[in-house]
Amino acid sequence: GENVEQHPSTLSVQEGDSAVIKCTYSDSASNYFPWYKQELGKRPQLIIDIRSNVGEKKDQRIAVTLNKTAKHFSLHITETQPEDSAVYFCAASMVDSNYQLIWGAGTKLIIKP
Amino acid sequence: DAGVIQSPRHEVTEMGQEVTLRCKPISGHDYLFWYRQTMMRGLELLIYFNNNVPIDDSGMPEDRFSAKMPNASFSTLKIQPSEPRDSAVYFCASSPRGASWNTEAFFGQGTRLTVV
Repeated sequence: GENVEQHPSTLSVQEGDSAVIKCTYSDSASNYFPWYKQELGKRPQLIIDIRSNVGEKKDQRIAVTLNKTAKHFSLHITETQPEDSAVYFCAASMVDSNYQLIWGAGTKLIIKP
Repeated sequence: DAGVIQSPRHEVTEMGQEVTLRCKPISGHDYLFWYRQTMMRGLELLIYFNNNVPIDDSGMPEDRFSAKMPNASFSTLKIQPSEPRDSAVYFCASSPRGASWNTEAFFGQGTRLTVV
């Protein structure tokens, strides 16, 4: 079936360094790719999203890139800070699932002081 | 707006008991989603509604699970009878307009269910 694979499952980076999380999707017709951040014990919240008509989007220290040909998209966090520690989820809308979001398994990002 | 409101925040119940989880979506949102989150299976969509009508319940694990949305401001997810493997965090989320797959989903705080 349709799926979204997310890597790595855990990522540990030094404070101030960059972090990159990657996702691949199977449905070439997918057109919407959001990223959610979930802090421990809290709800998932949207941090950035991208649509299939653009290749990159930035919002301060966060950026998302999309490669439609390769069917993968990535989250980039620069100058990481302790408050970036959380679980990050990618998702993609899938035509064959009635355009509902299919979620990645999540990446636990640990920022080391 | 207070956001999506779920109740209770925590629920501990004995196996075999009925459990009802409640959700109040953000006013004006057309779509409502119920998700289940576990360490093993991640975030799973159980069911979603559009304008109070259930659209896709293919994620509901079995007949013990049922969901209703009697009006635009209220939805319930019921488990009867509950089993220990139902222990999870259940999230309700709503989206603001018709193209639900292309807009932000606003999540509630979740209900942590423990079935002993």
